[in-house]
Amino acid sequence: EAGVTQSPTHLIKTRGQQATLRCSPISGHTSVYWYQQALGLGLQFLLWYDEGEERNRGNFPPRFSGRQFPNYSSELNVNALELEDSALYLCASSLLGGGTDTQYFGPGTRLTVL
Amino acid sequence: GENVEQHPSTLSVQEGDSAVIKCTYSDSASNYFPWYKQELGKGPQLIIDIRSNVGEKKDQRIAVTLNKTAKHFSLHITETQPEDSAVYFCAASTSNTGKLIFGQGTTLQVKP
Repeated sequence: EAGVTQSPTHLIKTRGQQATLRCSPISGHTSVYWYQQALGLGLQFLLWYDEGEERNRGNFPPRFSGRQFPNYSSELNVNALELEDSALYLCASSLLGGGTDTQYFGPGTRLTVL
Repeated sequence: GENVEQHPSTLSVQEGDSAVIKCTYSDSASNYFPWYKQELGKGPQLIIDIRSNVGEKKDQRIAVTLNKTAKHFSLHITETQPEDSAVYFCAASTSNTGKLIFGQGTTLQVKP
Protein backbone atom coordinates (compact mmCIF):
# COMPACT_ATOMS: atom_id res chain seq x y z
CA GLU A 1 0.00 0.00 0.00
CA ALA A 2 1.44 3.38 -0.98
CA GLY A 3 2.00 5.87 1.80
CA VAL A 4 1.38 9.59 1.86
CA THR A 5 3.15 11.31 -1.02
CA GLN A 6 4.17 14.95 -1.28
CA SER A 7 5.49 17.11 -4.07
CA PRO A 8 7.79 18.74 -4.76
CA THR A 9 10.57 17.37 -2.56
CA HIS A 10 12.33 20.71 -2.50
CA LEU A 11 11.12 24.19 -3.35
CA ILE A 12 13.14 27.38 -3.47
CA LYS A 13 11.39 30.74 -3.57
CA THR A 14 12.24 34.34 -2.93
CA ARG A 15 10.64 36.58 -0.34
CA GLY A 16 7.24 37.85 -1.41
CA GLN A 17 6.51 35.00 -3.82
CA GLN A 18 3.85 32.32 -3.42
CA ALA A 19 4.47 28.61 -2.82
CA THR A 20 2.15 25.69 -3.56
CA LEU A 21 2.75 22.33 -1.96
CA ARG A 22 0.84 19.16 -2.80
CA CYS A 23 -0.15 16.05 -0.87
CA SER A 24 -1.79 12.75 -1.79
CA PRO A 25 -3.17 10.79 1.17
CA ILE A 26 -3.10 7.05 1.65
CA SER A 27 -5.80 5.40 -0.43
CA GLY A 28 -9.07 5.36 1.50
CA HIS A 29 -8.06 8.15 3.90
CA THR A 30 -10.36 11.15 3.90
CA SER A 31 -8.59 13.49 6.33
CA VAL A 32 -5.44 15.46 5.53
CA TYR A 33 -3.34 17.45 7.98
CA TRP A 34 -0.53 19.94 7.40
CA TYR A 35 2.32 20.63 9.82
CA GLN A 36 5.32 22.95 9.72
CA GLN A 37 8.66 21.72 11.05
CA ALA A 38 10.93 24.73 11.35
CA LEU A 39 14.40 24.57 12.85
CA GLY A 40 14.18 25.18 16.57
CA LEU A 41 10.38 25.31 16.63
CA GLY A 42 9.49 21.65 16.35
CA LEU A 43 6.36 20.36 14.67
CA GLN A 44 3.49 22.86 14.56
CA PHE A 45 -0.06 22.08 13.43
CA LEU A 46 -1.18 24.17 10.46
CA LEU A 47 -4.45 22.86 9.00
CA TRP A 48 -6.87 19.95 8.99
CA TYR A 49 -9.10 19.12 6.01
CA ASP A 50 -11.81 16.49 6.03
CA GLU A 51 -14.30 15.75 3.26
CA GLY A 52 -13.26 18.88 1.41
CA GLU A 53 -13.79 21.24 4.34
CA GLU A 54 -11.31 23.04 6.58
CA ARG A 55 -12.03 21.65 10.06
CA ASN A 56 -9.35 23.30 12.18
CA ARG A 57 -6.45 25.66 11.80
CA GLY A 58 -3.37 26.31 13.91
CA ASN A 59 -1.92 29.60 15.02
CA PHE A 60 -0.68 30.76 11.61
CA PRO A 61 -1.50 33.93 9.64
CA PRO A 62 -4.15 33.87 6.86
CA ARG A 63 -1.47 33.83 4.16
CA PHE A 64 -1.24 30.11 4.95
CA SER A 65 -4.21 28.50 3.25
CA GLY A 66 -5.13 25.36 1.45
CA ARG A 67 -7.82 23.16 0.08
CA GLN A 68 -8.82 19.56 -0.32
CA PHE A 69 -9.98 18.19 -3.63
CA PRO A 70 -12.78 15.66 -4.29
CA ASN A 71 -10.18 12.87 -4.56
CA TYR A 72 -9.00 13.86 -1.03
CA SER A 73 -5.64 15.16 -2.18
CA SER A 74 -4.70 18.54 -0.79
CA GLU A 75 -2.60 21.55 -1.50
CA LEU A 76 -1.08 24.11 0.85
CA ASN A 77 -0.56 27.65 -0.37
CA VAL A 78 1.73 30.12 1.31
CA ASN A 79 1.41 33.70 0.05
CA ALA A 80 3.77 36.63 0.50
CA LEU A 81 6.60 34.35 1.59
CA GLU A 82 8.82 35.47 4.45
CA LEU A 83 12.28 34.22 5.33
CA GLU A 84 10.92 32.53 8.47
CA ASP A 85 8.61 30.37 6.35
CA SER A 86 11.65 28.28 5.46
CA ALA A 87 10.85 24.86 6.91
CA LEU A 88 9.93 21.27 6.21
CA TYR A 89 6.20 21.07 5.49
CA LEU A 90 4.70 17.73 6.40
CA CYS A 91 1.40 16.31 5.29
CA ALA A 92 -0.36 13.51 7.15
CA SER A 93 -3.53 11.56 6.48
CA SER A 94 -5.91 9.48 8.55
CA LEU A 95 -8.73 7.08 7.82
CA LEU A 96 -11.24 9.03 9.83
CA GLY A 97 -11.20 12.64 10.92
CA GLY A 98 -10.44 13.96 14.35
CA GLY A 99 -7.74 14.17 16.91
CA THR A 100 -7.60 10.58 18.00
CA ASP A 101 -7.28 8.88 14.64
CA THR A 102 -3.78 7.72 13.73
CA GLN A 103 -2.01 10.20 11.46
CA TYR A 104 0.48 8.85 8.90
CA PHE A 105 3.05 11.31 7.63
CA GLY A 106 4.59 11.85 4.23
CA PRO A 107 8.27 12.65 3.62
CA GLY A 108 7.69 16.40 3.50
CA THR A 109 8.48 19.30 1.20
CA ARG A 110 11.54 21.36 2.10
CA LEU A 111 10.71 25.02 1.41
CA THR A 112 13.58 27.48 1.31
CA VAL A 113 12.82 31.20 1.12
CA LEU A 114 15.71 33.40 0.00
CA GLY B 1 -2.56 26.86 26.49
CA GLU B 2 -1.89 23.42 25.10
CA ASN B 3 1.66 22.29 25.66
CA VAL B 4 3.71 19.09 25.67
CA GLU B 5 7.08 19.02 27.40
CA GLN B 6 9.53 16.28 26.42
CA HIS B 7 12.72 15.17 28.19
CA PRO B 8 15.55 14.61 27.69
CA SER B 9 16.43 16.52 24.53
CA THR B 10 19.34 14.16 23.85
CA LEU B 11 19.97 10.63 25.05
CA SER B 12 23.00 8.45 24.42
CA VAL B 13 22.98 4.75 25.37
CA GLN B 14 25.06 1.68 24.68
CA GLU B 15 23.66 -0.96 22.39
CA GLY B 16 21.57 -3.38 24.41
CA ASP B 17 20.70 -0.85 27.12
CA SER B 18 17.21 0.56 27.68
CA ALA B 19 16.12 4.08 26.78
CA VAL B 20 13.32 6.06 28.42
CA ILE B 21 11.79 9.30 27.13
CA LYS B 22 9.22 11.20 29.18
CA CYS B 23 6.51 13.67 28.23
CA THR B 24 4.11 15.83 30.19
CA TYR B 25 0.98 17.42 28.74
CA SER B 26 -1.08 20.34 29.94
CA ASP B 27 -4.56 19.81 28.47
CA SER B 28 -6.51 17.45 30.71
CA ALA B 29 -8.90 16.76 27.80
CA SER B 30 -6.11 15.06 25.83
CA ASN B 31 -7.02 11.46 25.12
CA TYR B 32 -4.64 10.21 22.44
CA PHE B 33 -0.84 9.95 22.74
CA PRO B 34 1.23 8.78 19.77
CA TRP B 35 5.00 8.44 19.51
CA TYR B 36 6.86 9.08 16.27
CA LYS B 37 10.38 8.28 15.11
CA GLN B 38 11.99 10.61 12.57
CA GLU B 39 15.11 9.67 10.70
CA LEU B 40 17.19 12.19 8.81
CA GLY B 41 15.50 13.39 5.64
CA LYS B 42 12.28 11.50 6.33
CA GLY B 43 8.86 12.24 7.74
CA PRO B 44 7.83 11.08 11.22
CA GLN B 45 6.90 7.40 11.44
CA LEU B 46 4.39 6.19 14.03
CA ILE B 47 5.97 3.60 16.32
CA ILE B 48 3.33 3.19 19.02
CA ASP B 49 0.30 5.00 20.39
CA ILE B 50 -1.92 4.81 23.44
CA ARG B 51 -5.39 6.03 24.23
CA SER B 52 -6.59 7.40 27.54
CA ASN B 53 -8.54 4.30 28.53
CA VAL B 54 -5.33 2.26 28.62
CA GLY B 55 -2.45 2.56 31.09
CA GLU B 56 0.21 0.62 29.23
CA LYS B 57 0.82 -0.80 25.77
CA LYS B 58 3.66 -2.93 24.50
CA ASP B 59 4.89 -3.88 21.05
CA GLN B 60 7.99 -6.08 21.06
CA ARG B 61 10.86 -3.90 22.35
CA ILE B 62 8.75 -0.77 22.65
CA ALA B 63 6.32 0.10 25.43
CA VAL B 64 4.38 3.20 26.40
CA THR B 65 2.90 4.01 29.80
CA LEU B 66 0.29 6.65 30.57
CA ASN B 67 -0.52 8.30 33.89
CA LYS B 68 -3.59 10.48 33.33
CA THR B 69 -3.68 11.76 36.90
CA ALA B 70 -0.16 13.14 36.63
CA LYS B 71 -0.62 13.99 32.93
CA HIS B 72 2.50 12.28 31.78
CA PHE B 73 3.43 9.42 29.49
CA SER B 74 6.68 7.67 28.69
CA LEU B 75 8.31 5.66 25.93
CA HIS B 76 10.48 2.69 26.87
CA ILE B 77 12.78 1.01 24.37
CA THR B 78 14.53 -2.15 25.55
CA GLU B 79 17.55 -3.91 24.02
CA THR B 80 18.40 -0.84 21.94
CA GLN B 81 20.07 -1.30 18.56
CA PRO B 82 22.06 1.18 16.43
CA GLU B 83 19.11 1.42 14.02
CA ASP B 84 17.02 2.86 16.87
CA SER B 85 19.12 6.03 16.57
CA ALA B 86 16.79 8.84 15.46
CA VAL B 87 14.74 11.75 16.78
CA TYR B 88 11.69 10.67 18.77
CA PHE B 89 8.62 12.86 19.24
CA CYS B 90 5.75 12.44 21.64
CA ALA B 91 2.41 14.08 20.92
CA ALA B 92 -0.96 14.60 22.54
CA SER B 93 -4.34 15.18 20.97
CA THR B 94 -7.97 15.78 21.85
CA SER B 95 -11.02 14.39 20.09
CA ASN B 96 -12.37 16.37 17.12
CA THR B 97 -9.50 18.83 16.87
CA GLY B 98 -7.36 17.00 14.29
CA LYS B 99 -4.39 18.61 16.00
CA LEU B 100 -1.37 16.79 17.38
CA ILE B 101 0.59 18.85 19.90
CA PHE B 102 4.19 17.67 19.69
CA GLY B 103 6.97 17.65 22.24
CA GLN B 104 10.28 19.20 21.31
CA GLY B 105 11.88 15.87 20.36
CA THR B 106 14.59 13.63 21.78
CA THR B 107 17.68 12.74 19.78
CA LEU B 108 18.53 9.15 20.66
CA GLN B 109 22.00 7.86 19.87
CA VAL B 110 22.69 4.15 20.33
CA LYS B 111 26.40 3.41 20.38
CA PRO B 112 27.51 0.02 19.03
